[in-house]
Amino acid sequence: TQLLEQSPQFLSIQEGENLTVYCNSSSVFSSLQWYRQEPGEGPVLLVTVVTGGEVKKLKRLTFQFGDARKDSSLHITAAQPGDTGLYLCAGEAPYSGAGSYQLTFGKGTKLSVIP
Amino acid sequence: GAGVSQTPSNKVTEKGKYVELRCDPISGHTALYWYRQSLGQGPEFLIYFQGTGAADDSGLPNDRFFAVRPEGSVSTLKIQRTERGDSAVYLCASSLTGGMESNEQFFGPGTRLTVL
Repeated sequence: TQLLEQSPQFLSIQEGENLTVYCNSSSVFSSLQWYRQEPGEGPVLLVTVVTGGEVKKLKRLTFQFGDARKDSSLHITAAQPGDTGLYLCAGEAPYSGAGSYQLTFGKGTKLSVIP
Repeated sequence: GAGVSQTPSNKVTEKGKYVELRCDPISGHTALYWYRQSLGQGPEFLIYFQGTGAADDSGLPNDRFFAVRPEGSVSTLKIQRTERGDSAVYLCASSLTGGMESNEQFFGPGTRLTVL
C-alpha cells in the first residue's frame, strides 16, 4: 500500500506570510499532483509534476518534486486570504500493466490565511 | 454543463437501507473514478472504469458496494445495507483517457451521504 504523509495538517498564518507544505512517501510515484479543495466542492488540480527534481511555478505557488520521486513540496509566497482551502497531494503509481490509474491522496493540509 | 455533475448533492438514509449515487462525467471522457472522502481525510480510491468495464475495483471496501457504467457515460454507485460507517462524501472524477501518461482527473462536487 502506498501512503502519502502531508504536513502540517493545519496551518493558520497572517496575510503576506510565506509557507511550505510537505508531502512525503516511502514509495516512488510516476507523477504527483497537487489539488486545492474548498468546502462543498471536489478537488481542483493545481499542478502535475512528473520528473524527479522538477520545479513548477504557478503565480505565487512553487511546486517541487523530489529527485527520487517520493516527495514533494508546495511553497506559497505572500499568502492571500483567497489561498485559504484544503491542499491535497496525490500520487499516481508507476504503471503496473494492471490497468489501474488510481490516485493515492494524502490527508491534506488545511490552510487559513487571516487578513 | 461543462463539468462533472453528481446527484443527489446530499443523501440522508437509515441504517440498512439501499442507496444509489449518480455521476455524469464530462462528455467524451472515457475514464471514470469513484472516491470516498471521510471527514478530515483525503479522497480514497474505490473503483475505476475505462469505458463500460470496471478496470480496477480494488478499492471497494466490501461486497455491499457495487458500481456500474452500462453505456460508458453515466455511472451509478450502489450501496446495499448501509452502515453508519458508510457516511462520507462520495466523489466522482472523469478524465479524457486512462492512458499511461499522466491524466488530469476532473472532480464533481460530491454526494454527502449520511447514514443514521
